[in-house]
Amino acid sequence: AQSVSQHNHHVILSEAASLELGCNYSYGGTVNLFWYVQYPGQHLQLLLKYFSGDPLVKGIKGFEAEFIKSKFSFNLRKPSVQWSDTAEYFCAVNARSSSNTGKLIFGQGTTLQVKP
Amino acid sequence: DAGVTQSPTHLIKTRGQQVTLRCSPKSGHDTVSWYQQALGQGPQFIFQYYEEEERQRGNFPDRFSGHQFPNYSSELNVNALLLGDSALYLCASSLVGRNTEAFFGQGTRLTVV
Repeated sequence: AQSVSQHNHHVILSEAASLELGCNYSYGGTVNLFWYVQYPGQHLQLLLKYFSGDPLVKGIKGFEAEFIKSKFSFNLRKPSVQWSDTAEYFCAVNARSSSNTGKLIFGQGTTLQVKP
Repeated sequence: DAGVTQSPTHLIKTRGQQVTLRCSPKSGHDTVSWYQQALGQGPQFIFQYYEEEERQRGNFPDRFSGHQFPNYSSELNVNALLLGDSALYLCASSLVGRNTEAFFGQGTRLTVV
Protein backbone atom coordinates (compact mmCIF):
# COMPACT_ATOMS: atom_id res chain seq x y z
CA ALA A 1 0.00 0.00 0.00
CA GLN A 2 1.12 3.51 -0.70
CA SER A 3 2.14 5.73 2.19
CA VAL A 4 3.72 9.12 2.70
CA SER A 5 5.90 10.09 5.62
CA GLN A 6 6.76 13.63 6.63
CA HIS A 7 9.66 13.73 9.03
CA ASN A 8 8.98 16.97 10.82
CA HIS A 9 5.69 17.49 12.60
CA HIS A 10 6.39 20.98 13.93
CA VAL A 11 9.10 23.34 12.74
CA ILE A 12 9.86 26.74 14.23
CA LEU A 13 12.10 29.14 12.32
CA SER A 14 13.04 32.78 12.45
CA GLU A 15 12.43 34.98 9.44
CA ALA A 16 15.14 34.71 6.76
CA ALA A 17 16.11 31.21 7.90
CA SER A 18 16.26 28.46 5.31
CA LEU A 19 13.64 25.74 5.23
CA GLU A 20 13.72 22.10 4.27
CA LEU A 21 10.79 19.79 4.94
CA GLY A 22 11.31 16.10 4.39
CA CYS A 23 8.90 13.81 2.54
CA ASN A 24 9.34 10.15 1.71
CA TYR A 25 6.85 7.88 0.03
CA SER A 26 6.50 4.17 -0.45
CA TYR A 27 5.23 2.90 -3.77
CA GLY A 28 6.89 0.63 -6.29
CA GLY A 29 5.63 2.31 -9.43
CA THR A 30 5.69 5.74 -11.02
CA VAL A 31 4.17 8.56 -9.05
CA ASN A 32 3.06 12.14 -9.31
CA LEU A 33 4.19 14.25 -6.36
CA PHE A 34 2.71 17.32 -4.78
CA TRP A 35 3.18 19.79 -1.96
CA TYR A 36 0.09 21.53 -0.67
CA VAL A 37 -0.08 24.37 1.85
CA GLN A 38 -2.92 25.23 4.19
CA TYR A 39 -2.75 28.75 5.61
CA PRO A 40 -4.76 29.38 8.78
CA GLY A 41 -8.46 29.47 7.91
CA GLN A 42 -7.88 28.85 4.22
CA HIS A 43 -8.26 25.92 1.88
CA LEU A 44 -5.52 23.61 0.70
CA GLN A 45 -3.52 25.23 -2.08
CA LEU A 46 -1.05 23.65 -4.44
CA LEU A 47 2.53 24.85 -3.90
CA LEU A 48 4.15 22.75 -6.57
CA LYS A 49 3.89 19.48 -8.43
CA TYR A 50 6.09 16.95 -10.18
CA PHE A 51 4.82 14.79 -13.01
CA SER A 52 7.96 14.12 -15.06
CA GLY A 53 11.10 15.77 -16.43
CA ASP A 54 13.45 17.97 -14.42
CA PRO A 55 13.43 16.59 -10.87
CA LEU A 56 13.93 20.08 -9.45
CA VAL A 57 10.59 21.84 -9.57
CA LYS A 58 9.81 25.39 -8.67
CA GLY A 59 6.53 26.47 -7.20
CA ILE A 60 4.83 29.58 -5.98
CA LYS A 61 6.19 31.98 -3.38
CA GLY A 62 9.82 30.93 -3.84
CA PHE A 63 9.34 27.27 -2.89
CA GLU A 64 11.07 24.45 -4.70
CA ALA A 65 11.28 20.69 -4.30
CA GLU A 66 13.60 18.01 -5.54
CA PHE A 67 12.48 14.53 -6.53
CA ILE A 68 15.13 11.92 -5.78
CA LYS A 69 13.77 8.69 -7.21
CA SER A 70 16.44 6.47 -5.63
CA LYS A 71 15.52 7.78 -2.19
CA PHE A 72 11.74 7.93 -2.77
CA SER A 73 11.95 11.51 -1.54
CA PHE A 74 10.41 14.84 -2.48
CA ASN A 75 11.76 17.41 -0.05
CA LEU A 76 10.46 20.97 0.02
CA ARG A 77 12.87 23.88 0.31
CA LYS A 78 12.86 27.64 0.57
CA PRO A 79 16.06 29.69 0.98
CA SER A 80 14.56 32.41 3.16
CA VAL A 81 11.22 32.08 4.95
CA GLN A 82 8.86 34.91 5.78
CA TRP A 83 6.38 35.29 8.60
CA SER A 84 3.60 34.82 6.01
CA ASP A 85 4.87 31.27 5.35
CA THR A 86 3.41 30.19 8.69
CA ALA A 87 1.07 27.36 7.69
CA GLU A 88 0.54 23.61 7.52
CA TYR A 89 2.41 21.84 4.71
CA PHE A 90 1.35 18.52 3.22
CA CYS A 91 3.23 16.23 0.90
CA ALA A 92 1.03 14.03 -1.31
CA VAL A 93 1.46 11.39 -3.98
CA ASN A 94 -0.70 9.58 -6.47
CA ALA A 95 0.10 6.51 -8.49
CA ARG A 96 0.62 7.08 -12.21
CA SER A 97 -0.83 3.85 -13.53
CA SER A 98 -3.46 2.81 -16.07
CA SER A 99 -6.00 2.66 -13.27
CA ASN A 100 -4.94 5.96 -11.80
CA THR A 101 -7.89 7.90 -10.54
CA GLY A 102 -5.89 10.75 -9.11
CA LYS A 103 -6.44 9.52 -5.57
CA LEU A 104 -4.04 11.43 -3.34
CA ILE A 105 -2.20 9.90 -0.41
CA PHE A 106 -1.18 12.59 2.06
CA GLY A 107 1.47 12.74 4.72
CA GLN A 108 0.45 13.77 8.22
CA GLY A 109 1.55 17.34 7.64
CA THR A 110 4.18 19.69 9.04
CA THR A 111 3.25 22.80 10.96
CA LEU A 112 5.65 25.63 10.17
CA GLN A 113 5.79 28.55 12.53
CA VAL A 114 7.91 31.51 11.44
CA LYS A 115 8.84 34.01 14.12
CA PRO A 116 9.14 37.64 13.04
CA ASP B 1 -13.86 31.41 -12.54
CA ALA B 2 -15.34 29.89 -9.41
CA GLY B 3 -13.19 27.49 -7.49
CA VAL B 4 -14.44 24.53 -5.52
CA THR B 5 -17.30 25.48 -3.22
CA GLN B 6 -18.60 23.45 -0.32
CA SER B 7 -21.62 23.81 1.90
CA PRO B 8 -22.26 24.16 4.71
CA THR B 9 -19.03 25.47 6.24
CA HIS B 10 -19.84 24.24 9.73
CA LEU B 11 -22.26 21.65 11.02
CA ILE B 12 -23.09 20.18 14.42
CA LYS B 13 -24.90 16.85 14.55
CA THR B 14 -25.86 14.36 17.23
CA ARG B 15 -24.63 10.80 17.36
CA GLY B 16 -26.79 8.50 15.25
CA GLN B 17 -27.98 11.25 12.94
CA GLN B 18 -27.35 11.48 9.23
CA VAL B 19 -25.60 14.31 7.39
CA THR B 20 -25.29 15.47 3.79
CA LEU B 21 -22.42 17.65 2.60
CA ARG B 22 -22.35 19.32 -0.79
CA CYS B 23 -19.66 20.25 -3.27
CA SER B 24 -19.58 22.17 -6.53
CA PRO B 25 -16.42 21.52 -8.54
CA LYS B 26 -14.24 24.08 -10.22
CA SER B 27 -15.60 25.12 -13.59
CA GLY B 28 -14.56 22.67 -16.28
CA HIS B 29 -13.75 19.83 -13.89
CA ASP B 30 -15.54 16.50 -14.14
CA THR B 31 -14.18 14.51 -11.22
CA VAL B 32 -14.91 15.00 -7.53
CA SER B 33 -13.05 13.39 -4.65
CA TRP B 34 -13.87 13.55 -0.96
CA TYR B 35 -11.38 13.51 1.89
CA GLN B 36 -11.66 13.40 5.66
CA GLN B 37 -9.13 15.43 7.65
CA ALA B 38 -9.04 14.69 11.36
CA LEU B 39 -7.43 17.23 13.65
CA GLY B 40 -3.64 17.18 13.32
CA GLN B 41 -3.70 14.69 10.45
CA GLY B 42 -3.40 14.76 6.70
CA PRO B 43 -6.50 14.32 4.55
CA GLN B 44 -7.61 10.73 3.97
CA PHE B 45 -9.28 9.67 0.73
CA ILE B 46 -12.91 8.62 1.10
CA PHE B 47 -14.00 8.11 -2.51
CA GLN B 48 -14.05 9.62 -5.97
CA TYR B 49 -16.87 10.18 -8.42
CA TYR B 50 -16.63 10.43 -12.19
CA GLU B 51 -19.46 10.19 -14.72
CA GLU B 52 -21.90 9.90 -11.81
CA GLU B 53 -20.31 6.69 -10.56
CA GLU B 54 -18.05 5.87 -7.66
CA ARG B 55 -14.69 5.25 -9.29
CA GLN B 56 -12.53 4.38 -6.32
CA ARG B 57 -13.06 4.06 -2.60
CA GLY B 58 -10.77 4.41 0.38
CA ASN B 59 -10.91 2.52 3.63
CA PHE B 60 -14.20 3.92 4.92
CA PRO B 61 -17.30 2.00 6.03
CA ASP B 62 -20.52 1.81 4.03
CA ARG B 63 -21.99 4.49 6.29
CA PHE B 64 -20.17 6.85 3.97
CA SER B 65 -21.86 7.18 0.60
CA GLY B 66 -21.94 9.69 -2.16
CA HIS B 67 -23.49 10.85 -5.33
CA GLN B 68 -22.52 12.86 -8.37
CA PHE B 69 -25.05 14.78 -10.41
CA PRO B 70 -25.08 15.44 -14.17
CA ASN B 71 -23.68 18.93 -13.55
CA TYR B 72 -20.69 17.27 -11.81
CA SER B 73 -21.61 18.53 -8.34
CA SER B 74 -21.47 15.96 -5.59
CA GLU B 75 -22.84 15.02 -2.19
CA LEU B 76 -21.27 13.11 0.65
CA ASN B 77 -23.68 11.33 2.98
CA VAL B 78 -22.77 9.88 6.34
CA ASN B 79 -25.30 7.74 8.22
CA ALA B 80 -25.39 6.73 11.88
CA LEU B 81 -22.88 9.37 12.88
CA LEU B 82 -20.22 8.50 15.43
CA LEU B 83 -18.19 10.87 17.58
CA GLY B 84 -15.16 9.79 15.57
CA ASP B 85 -16.69 11.19 12.40
CA SER B 86 -15.96 14.69 13.68
CA ALA B 87 -13.51 16.14 11.17
CA LEU B 88 -13.00 18.56 8.32
CA TYR B 89 -14.45 17.12 5.12
CA LEU B 90 -12.73 18.29 1.99
CA CYS B 91 -13.94 18.15 -1.55
CA ALA B 92 -11.44 18.21 -4.40
CA SER B 93 -12.17 18.52 -8.08
CA SER B 94 -10.01 17.63 -11.06
CA LEU B 95 -10.09 16.65 -14.70
CA VAL B 96 -9.93 12.95 -15.45
CA GLY B 97 -6.50 11.92 -16.70
CA ARG B 98 -3.10 10.72 -15.63
CA ASN B 99 -1.40 13.98 -14.91
CA THR B 100 -3.88 16.11 -13.17
CA GLU B 101 -3.90 18.29 -10.10
CA ALA B 102 -6.70 18.54 -7.61
CA PHE B 103 -8.22 21.79 -6.42
CA PHE B 104 -9.67 21.82 -2.92
CA GLY B 105 -12.61 23.58 -1.35
CA GLN B 106 -12.49 25.17 2.09
CA GLY B 107 -14.15 22.18 3.64
CA THR B 108 -17.06 21.47 5.94
CA ARG B 109 -16.24 21.25 9.63
CA LEU B 110 -18.47 18.50 11.07
CA THR B 111 -18.79 18.17 14.81
CA VAL B 112 -20.65 15.16 16.21
CA VAL B 113 -21.82 15.50 19.82
